[in-house]
Amino acid sequence: TQLLEQSPQFLSIQEGENLTVYCNSSSVFSSLQWYRQEPGEGPVLLVTVVTGGEVKKLKRLTFQFGDARKDSSLHITAAQPGDTGLYLCAGFTGNNRKLIWGLGTSLAVNP
Amino acid sequence: KAGVTQTPRYLIKTRGQQVTLSCSPISGHRSVSWYQQTPGQGLQFLFEYFSETQRNKGNFPGRFSGRQFSNSRSEMNVSTLELGDSALYLCASSLGAGPLETQYFGPGTRLLVL
Repeated sequence: TQLLEQSPQFLSIQEGENLTVYCNSSSVFSSLQWYRQEPGEGPVLLVTVVTGGEVKKLKRLTFQFGDARKDSSLHITAAQPGDTGLYLCAGFTGNNRKLIWGLGTSLAVNP
Repeated sequence: KAGVTQTPRYLIKTRGQQVTLSCSPISGHRSVSWYQQTPGQGLQFLFEYFSETQRNKGNFPGRFSGRQFSNSRSEMNVSTLELGDSALYLCASSLGAGPLETQYFGPGTRLLVL
């Protein structure tokens, strides 16, 4: 059973467009992380959100943690080809370190 | 500072064989976690080691085992390989073992079981 549902599964957009990807669950997470993975590489951590309602910005990327800590979103403004990759969300459901992962959103930004 | 290294990068085995994968964490990192990544299941947690002790274990059969050495390097072993074990195996290291410690991933070992 996949506890974290990511949508959309695939996204292909033109350079300069904005986009939002979602990470949803019926479970409450103590913290949630977003990663980007490029072909042939391991995931790279982008951000960790801990507090319900928290918003974090990383240049053109804006991350939001839902008030109930069950969902999160990633918004990219003016996407660039360098943003291409697999975006993964992952969360901790307790104080252990067993990360629960979504299947990811595969983003392609075309020049 | 060198990143997490995994060897080998690619591996082809046949059903019934066993395989050992190696992970060298970032210098100074004491925690190593292993994950299996497949297109259908995504990343799934295998186990975590901290200071040579297994701290957490995922829901994988006993064919999957691991260990950590005193220099924090880690190995995972899969015995009696099955076709479904074909996957990208990722190792991640972190300084400590707290839930908010940043994990740094290696490039993975891609295992193909024929």
